[in-house]
Amino acid sequence: EDQVTQSPEALRLQEGESSSLNCSYTVSGLRGLFWYRQDPGKGPEFLFTLYSAGEEKEKERLKATLTKKESFLHITAPKPEDSATYLCAVQVSAGGFKTIFGAGTRLFVKA
Amino acid sequence: DADVTQTPRNRITKTGKRIMLECSQTKGHDRMYWYRQDPGLGLQLIYYSFDVKDINKGEISDGYSVSRQAQAKFSLSLESAIPNQTALYFCATSDSMADTQYFGPGTRLTVL
Repeated sequence: EDQVTQSPEALRLQEGESSSLNCSYTVSGLRGLFWYRQDPGKGPEFLFTLYSAGEEKEKERLKATLTKKESFLHITAPKPEDSATYLCAVQVSAGGFKTIFGAGTRLFVKA
Repeated sequence: DADVTQTPRNRITKTGKRIMLECSQTKGHDRMYWYRQDPGLGLQLIYYSFDVKDINKGEISDGYSVSRQAQAKFSLSLESAIPNQTALYFCATSDSMADTQYFGPGTRLTVL
């Protein structure tokens, strides 16, 4: 069964304290892996797409990496405005269109 | 102006009522989607449409129907609402040449 699991469910950091969020997946065929940011009361906002193991993407304090079984979202020296829920989604290449979302990691960054 | 808009943003209704949620986009994308989000769960796909004449069921389509009135408009209907359809509903779009989905601001639906 295709599955996407994000950990931890919630993460509390001090401003400047770097950390990583994990997205592990078990799917029949990976077409692409997506990271989104979701603020309370808003729709998910696209951050990154990764297509193959070894690929990395960066944007400001965020860096996403991909292996054959998981992806990491590294947050370097976070600021309070980075507080949000981060969603991982995997698009499966077999059996028509299928995108599986993880439940998300809620990140709290304290000043 | 927002590229993907949803109306209404909030709706409270009663069991058995018919409800329509509407989505419009100005991104010029061919593909449109409806998702449901429940606390502690990932977004779940209800229906998707790859062009005006194309409608496909997602993983949780029971109790829902959709209409693609034009390239820019995709509406979701609950024919007879029930309390376990209380959730956040998101519309999304994507281009046929790319996989990235762009989401609307969501509709919070409460069924009493």
